[in-house]
Amino acid sequence: QKEVEQNSGPLSVPEGAIASLNCTYSDRGSQSFFWYRQYSGKSPELIMSIYSNGDQEDGRFTAQLNKASQYVSLLIRDSQPSDSATYLCAVKGQAGTALIFGKGTTLSVSS
Amino acid sequence: GAGVSQSPSNKVTEKGKDVELRCDPISGHTALYWYRQSLGQGLEFLIYFQGNSAPDKSGLPSDRFSAERTGGSVSTLTIQRTQQEDSAVYLCASSSFGATEAFFGQGTRLTVV
Repeated sequence: QKEVEQNSGPLSVPEGAIASLNCTYSDRGSQSFFWYRQYSGKSPELIMSIYSNGDQEDGRFTAQLNKASQYVSLLIRDSQPSDSATYLCAVKGQAGTALIFGKGTTLSVSS
Repeated sequence: GAGVSQSPSNKVTEKGKDVELRCDPISGHTALYWYRQSLGQGLEFLIYFQGNSAPDKSGLPSDRFSAERTGGSVSTLTIQRTQQEDSAVYLCASSSFGATEAFFGQGTRLTVV
């Protein structure tokens, strides 16, 4: 059974701080890794993709991947109240396999 | 269409009735997923279609749940003899061949009374 684990939170940070969200996965053959953001009552939206070890940056967001440790993280710099949402980590194995999600971490950014 | 379309957006049904939920993926997307999200919970994988390959049904919670995908496009998720614990938001997502990013529809909120 392929598993994706996240701390459910809530993670609370003040406005302007760095929020750090973590995810571990069980399938060592996993090849693609994603972070989705889900606002309350809305569908998940893709915010970051990462496929190789190291960092992937997009604006205030940085995804980090360490395949040896089976660990993915998301850093949000200069956190804003509008970043308050649930962040879902998703992992996919080889082509033809399903995309599996963690249960999500709720982030609260206070102004 | 421009995005993944699901219908209906809301469905209220009586316990014991059958329901059908529809998903129309992004045009040209060969992969299609169904997930279930109960209140305050994460996304529970149900079933995955990829092109003409046999679907991955490993997430279906019971034999009351089934799904089909006709012509490699539209998919229907059927829940027979609905139970109150089936109440949830059912989300559909699609992705293109070779790409792995999946895009979600707005979901169907199912309430079993």
